[in-house]
Order: sequence, then C-alpha cells, then structure tokens
Amino acid sequence: GAGVSQSPSNKVTEKGKDVELRCDPISGHTALYWYRQSLGQGLEFLIYFQGNSAPDKSGLPSDRFSAERTGGSVSTLTIQRTQQEDSAVYLCASSLGLLNEQFFGPGTRLTVL
Amino acid sequence: GNSVTQMEGPVTLSEEAFLTINCTYTATGYPSLFWYVQYPGEGLQLLLKATKADDKGSNKGFEATYRKETTSFHLEKGSVQVSDSAVYFCALSLYNTNAGKSTFGDGTTLTVKP
Repeated sequence: GAGVSQSPSNKVTEKGKDVELRCDPISGHTALYWYRQSLGQGLEFLIYFQGNSAPDKSGLPSDRFSAERTGGSVSTLTIQRTQQEDSAVYLCASSLGLLNEQFFGPGTRLTVL
Repeated sequence: GNSVTQMEGPVTLSEEAFLTINCTYTATGYPSLFWYVQYPGEGLQLLLKATKADDKGSNKGFEATYRKETTSFHLEKGSVQVSDSAVYFCALSLYNTNAGKSTFGDGTTLTVKP
C-alpha cells in the first residue's frame, strides 16, 4: 500500500476488556509513532519506535498501555482493562527516519462503553 | 520539557482574508518545526516545515518563518479559500537522544466562509 494503514478503523468495546490496535507503516520507514487524539484535543504523543526499539515509554498514559513493533514493520498498541477515558482516536504515523516528515494513518476510533 | 502553544480557535474568516495562526514553542535546543493540517474527514498531513533559524517553509500559499529570537513559527496565508477550512497543528521535533518524541500543539480550527 502507498500509505500508513491502521486497523480496525472503529472499535467499540466494553470497559475492562483488552484491545489491540494495529499499524502498518509505509514500507521502508524506520520510524513509527503512536498518538492519541481525544475529542476537541490536540495530539498526545504516546510512543515512538526506531526500528523495533522504543527508547522512551514515558508517554504511555498508564501501565495498561503497551506497544511493540516486529520486523521493523507492523506495530501493535495494546490497551488492557480498558477504561472509558481511553476513548479516543489513536493515530499511527511513520517516517523515513527521525525528524523526517511523518505520514499519518487514518486512525482507529476507540469507544469504551 | 518541550511544548508548543498555538493560538486558540476556532478562527472564522471570509474568503480572501489574511490568515495568521500563532505558534510559539519551548525547547531545550534547536528543534525542527512543522505545520500539519487535517482536512475534514481526512488524516493529518504535513503542510510545511523549517529545520533551522530563519528558514521559511511554504506550501499551497501558506508560509511560516522559523524565528529563533521569538521562539515562534506563525502560519500565514495572504488570501484564504473555503478549501482551507481545516484544523492546523504546529509541532516540533528535537534532534537529541529522544528525537522521535514529537510535540504537537492543541490545533486551531479554521473555517473560511464564502
């Protein structure tokens, strides 16, 4: 594909359930980023990967959040025991390298009931 | 820590009006600066960028100049169109050991009326 893809596009879950959000970056992009965009808010940086490594996980909101990237490509953001305040649009972006232009995916809209 | 402060919106203009969206930043170093745009129903995309002081980024009639002395990167357009209606985000990235940790502003919603 030509761009960053994310799946699912929409996810409705019940409070307490675990969810997995997937991001497929542009082929060849070494850097991958996760953001959260709550309604009417700006982008909240969550985590970035350089290759498969995430140097700084301090942006993750709580220990219920985790992310991994395998093979320098696909990344998964996992939220355990979801809470209503986790409801937001989760955006993934990738770039050729750090500081290069970031290309954003369409996002996953997560709704926790 | 690093931060980006944008002019609060929403901003409503008539077509052909002059646009300025203010952006100031705080960073412990010399960041690269970006403006991203999110059109209705679409994903974020880069509008323009500047990587060092006094650089001017430009695209689609929009301009922004990296002002180190005022730590600003204000977005301007001389004559807006209805199609410019979107949310605009100012952002910075810093080349250091945590270079991937981008910081975005809260976004400014622009509505242009015919």
